[in-house]
Amino acid sequence: ETGVTQTPRHLVMGMTNKKSLKCEQHLGHNAMYWYKQSAKKPLELMFVYSLEERVENNSVPSRFSPECPNSSHLFLHLHTLQPEDSALYLCASSQSRGSNEKLFFGSGTQLSVL
Amino acid sequence: AQKVTQAQTEISVVEKEDVTLDCVYETRDTTYYLFWYKQPPSGELVFLIRRNSFDEQNEISGRYSWNFQKSTSSFNFTITASQVVDSAVYFCALSPVGEENTGFQKLVFGTGTRLLVSP
Repeated sequence: ETGVTQTPRHLVMGMTNKKSLKCEQHLGHNAMYWYKQSAKKPLELMFVYSLEERVENNSVPSRFSPECPNSSHLFLHLHTLQPEDSALYLCASSQSRGSNEKLFFGSGTQLSVL
Repeated sequence: AQKVTQAQTEISVVEKEDVTLDCVYETRDTTYYLFWYKQPPSGELVFLIRRNSFDEQNEISGRYSWNFQKSTSSFNFTITASQVVDSAVYFCALSPVGEENTGFQKLVFGTGTRLLVSP
């Protein structure tokens, strides 16, 4: 059971490009998340939207810009990225009921910044 | 501060062997939740189990079992008679209950353990 779809699966971009990652959830959840997964590091929570309001921004550089137009869609807009931003970007969703909720993840976008 | 340590970076076993993945956590909270997630090669993390800090009963689900020991702050995961399909990265995670009213889940993940099961 996934219910969370991410596109594209792979993305290669130059440091001057602008691109967007898309996430869609079909689970009726109210909270959506962006995580960054880098090799040998714990998953890093980047942004959280709850009921379409951004409720968490974990000191993420401004070259990452999230957007949540409705409870089913989440975007991550990318511009002037750095090579160290290359990573797997995972989207997740949950019911907005707190710390016992399980997250449902998408398959991620593997981003390479050249 | 919350922290989750998975000291085993990678484990290789042969099919049918039993394998235990270790998870040690740090928290000052008296109430919290612990989770295990599986990340197969396809990329998405899949929920396996959730445990409340007040519930120290071990749990078994098929070939999977979990040993929660609050005294040692450990929440270890054992796969019995491993299979090739168990090959994946496994993440242990901690959620502080203090975040109950924020309206979202704020998990602290470990670095994961990659399990390779060969035929």
